[in-house]
Amino acid sequence: NAGVMQNPRHLVRRRGQEARLRCSPMKGHSHVYWYRQLPEEGLKFMVYLQKENIIDESGMPKERFSAEFPKEGPSILRIQQVVRGDSAAYFCASSPPTSGRHTGELFFGEGSRLTVL
Amino acid sequence: GNSVTQMEGPVTLSEEAFLTINCTYTATGYPSLFWYVQYPGEGLQLLLKATKADDKGSNKGFEATYRKETTSFHLEKGSVQVSDSAVYFCALYTGTASKLTFGTGTRLQVTL
Repeated sequence: NAGVMQNPRHLVRRRGQEARLRCSPMKGHSHVYWYRQLPEEGLKFMVYLQKENIIDESGMPKERFSAEFPKEGPSILRIQQVVRGDSAAYFCASSPPTSGRHTGELFFGEGSRLTVL
Repeated sequence: GNSVTQMEGPVTLSEEAFLTINCTYTATGYPSLFWYVQYPGEGLQLLLKATKADDKGSNKGFEATYRKETTSFHLEKGSVQVSDSAVYFCALYTGTASKLTFGTGTRLQVTL
């Protein structure tokens, strides 16, 4: 399967614990995006990364949330000290490297659904 | 800033009915416009797109025309099927920002 792979698909955490969500982009893709979907709401942009660089984190909460995309391995979205309001579906998307303008077309994974008890 | 407004759902239709889901946008620059579809329990998939004014995107019987004068990109299908039941998201991309801006999504339920 050459698609965007996310794991875990479902994650349950108690308040105060840490959540780590992983995303492997499509083969050949070097751009990764994380979006959050709250129940009955649309997708909200969180962060855009390229290998070893955070390009745009304007949608990331200032505290408790962090993201990385190391040179080797998947991108990781980390949520420390989770609260009930963090319960959501977190989607990763990827796009190929561009020599010029981005097309805006993204390829999404199936999402990681976080439930905070 | 950029924004996308979609009609409220859920939309419930009988099989073979005509579908319209309205989408309007506000953007700086000249956006590309997209419709993504999310089937239950899955991630989003690109349904169709249009990159400039008067372009028509089409796929799987769905169509949408980029109308710059009305800043709209309404999704239409002449005859829906039960398998079209999903959430449909309108989105825009300007190229000056690094991200897609999504609408809130419209849930479509098609019944026999």
